[in-house]
Amino acid sequence: EIVLTQSPGTLSLSPGERATLSCRASQSVSSSNLAWYQQKPGQAPRLLIYGASSRATGIPDRFSGSGSGTDFTLTISRLEPEDFAVYYCQQYGNSPWAFGQGTKVEIK
Amino acid sequence: EVQLVESGGGLVQPGGSLRLSCAASGFTFSTSGMTWVRQAPGKGLEWVSAISGSSGNTYYADSVKGRFTISRDSSKNTLYLQMSSLRAEDTAVYFCAKRSTSGYYYFDFWGQGTLVTVSS
Repeated sequence: EIVLTQSPGTLSLSPGERATLSCRASQSVSSSNLAWYQQKPGQAPRLLIYGASSRATGIPDRFSGSGSGTDFTLTISRLEPEDFAVYYCQQYGNSPWAFGQGTKVEIK
Repeated sequence: EVQLVESGGGLVQPGGSLRLSCAASGFTFSTSGMTWVRQAPGKGLEWVSAISGSSGNTYYADSVKGRFTISRDSSKNTLYLQMSSLRAEDTAVYFCAKRSTSGYYYFDFWGQGTLVTVSS
């Protein structure tokens, strides 16, 4: 079973700044089968990135994903007010399809 | 437009049972993999169960194996989660979500969730 560890737990940044979120897997994630989701309070998660680096439909290009093996990164190039939320990574290479514990991006 | 609408949540006593439903529209439900993901109050996302498209293969997290059963009725475009032997730690918002059209188990559309509270 693959365990995903996200860091940091909370990221305090100002609008316009760059956000770098990390997701580390306990073992290699096959074929870069890693996704990222955004969740705002009281809402369902929204798919941002799949295949480690492919943006989902309608996702702005300020969101980018990278990485392979056990280390993955979600980067938000310039934070917009609507980007302050919790972000989760998820591996889908092997069942069980686990999520990381989340990183909260909050306004500084 | 893809829509997923969960229902069936509520208050149930420990040891009790509950069946959640997820009404789907806007895509070919019968061939789409589906999943349930839950979120305890103030906590992160936890994958619970999944069912494949045409073959109907099912998958469960260890935390619910033997207690929860996922199923689907393609004539009604509805996904179900039968939950039994419920415990306090099953208290959560339960989301249904659609598997990606690529066939991989990441989830491109989500419902708004239904709250299950297990308490005496």
